[in-house]
Amino acid sequence: EDQVTQSPEALRLQEGESSSLNCSYTVSGLRGLFWYRQDPGKGPEFLFTLYSAGEEKEKERLKATLTKKESFLHITAPKPEDSATYLCAVQAGGGATNKLIFGTGTLLAVQP
Amino acid sequence: SAVISQKPSRDICQRGTSLTIQCQVDSQVTMMFWYRQQPGQSLTLIATANQGSEATYESGFVIDKFPISRPNLTFSTLTVSNMSPEDSSIYLCSVSLAGGPYNEQFFGPGTRLTVL
Repeated sequence: EDQVTQSPEALRLQEGESSSLNCSYTVSGLRGLFWYRQDPGKGPEFLFTLYSAGEEKEKERLKATLTKKESFLHITAPKPEDSATYLCAVQAGGGATNKLIFGTGTLLAVQP
Repeated sequence: SAVISQKPSRDICQRGTSLTIQCQVDSQVTMMFWYRQQPGQSLTLIATANQGSEATYESGFVIDKFPISRPNLTFSTLTVSNMSPEDSSIYLCSVSLAGGPYNEQFFGPGTRLTVL
């Protein structure tokens, strides 16, 4: 069964304190791994797509990496405005579906 | 990117009634999807809305409970029928953009539904 597990469930950082969020996955053929940011009361905001092991993408203070079993979202020198829930999702190979399978997210709080 | 809107943004409904949620996109999209986000749980795909044909439902979701329409390339509706408190959730539409990577999905703001 295709599955996505995110850790930790919650993370509290001081402003400027770098850290990483983990997304481990089990899928039958990975077509893509996606990172989203979700603020309270809003829909998920697309951040990155990663397609193959070794791929990396960056956006401001965020950097996403991918291996054959997991992805990391590295946050460098975070600011309070980076506080949000970060969601990881995978798209499995086979069939015509574009279904995204989501993890339960990591709630990040960055304190000034 | 595209601007995706949903109506209503939130609603409180009585048990046994139905609610129709609208999703409007400001540009043509290739695919539209409906997800549910229950409190403390991950997003779960309900169905893929197909233009001009019946929606494709995921395991555990049926057309009688969640009828979906997609009359054109920019609009879709999801109806939550005969509601019970267990249907209290956030309902989200997502789209894949025409001309973009076909499997990237962008989400609307969501509809927060409370069933009493």
